[in-house]
Amino acid sequence: DTEVTQTPKHLVMGMTNKKSLKCEQHMGHRAMYWYKQKAKKPPELMFVYSYEKLSINESVPSRFSPECPNSSLLNLHLHALQPEDSALYLCASGTSGSTDTQYFGPGTRLTVL
Amino acid sequence: TQLLEQSPQFLSIQEGENLTVYCNSSSVFSSLQWYRQEPGEGPVLLVTVVTGGEVKKLKRLTFQFGDARKDSSLHITAAQPGDTGLYLCAGSSGNTPLVFGKGTRLSVIA
Repeated sequence: DTEVTQTPKHLVMGMTNKKSLKCEQHMGHRAMYWYKQKAKKPPELMFVYSYEKLSINESVPSRFSPECPNSSLLNLHLHALQPEDSALYLCASGTSGSTDTQYFGPGTRLTVL
Repeated sequence: TQLLEQSPQFLSIQEGENLTVYCNSSSVFSSLQWYRQEPGEGPVLLVTVVTGGEVKKLKRLTFQFGDARKDSSLHITAAQPGDTGLYLCAGSSGNTPLVFGKGTRLSVIA
């Protein structure tokens, strides 16, 4: 099973809302990632969790708050977002290490009004 | 900073033609992945190459990792409309985050 699942598929929220994106993998991977992707651009790394601990935060604004409840789950809590935060948010899990291979979920299309 | 230069950025070809996409860097990578992404979907892993000089085939797709592990290519034979999408290369090196190329947007016209 090489599947990473993400919910919801689409999300529309106002700037004052609080919402969460969810990601799940059952491949036994110990590294999980959040990426942001704008149209016609490659994915941009936001956060990396390794063994359930936050190991990389790529200077992401605090209105994005990641959480890793266990080795299979990864959440991204959203609060007070801006319209420019509208994008495709991708979760990935990977084998980490020198030959890191990452498997991506289908993404959540987020629109901030 | 490690960079992956991908070329061409855009490619529009007729069904049945062959094409090659390149991914080049001045840095050495431990491995390199190729992904295909369709609009509004997540990237789908096509292949991981690890050994310098390695060649892998996936039906009509042939992937090659350069001898020095600094570059890679993706060759598609007899392209079909279903091959349309964004092709991304991504390199891995030690414990640093995956480095992505900017992508090649392929359009195959029937």
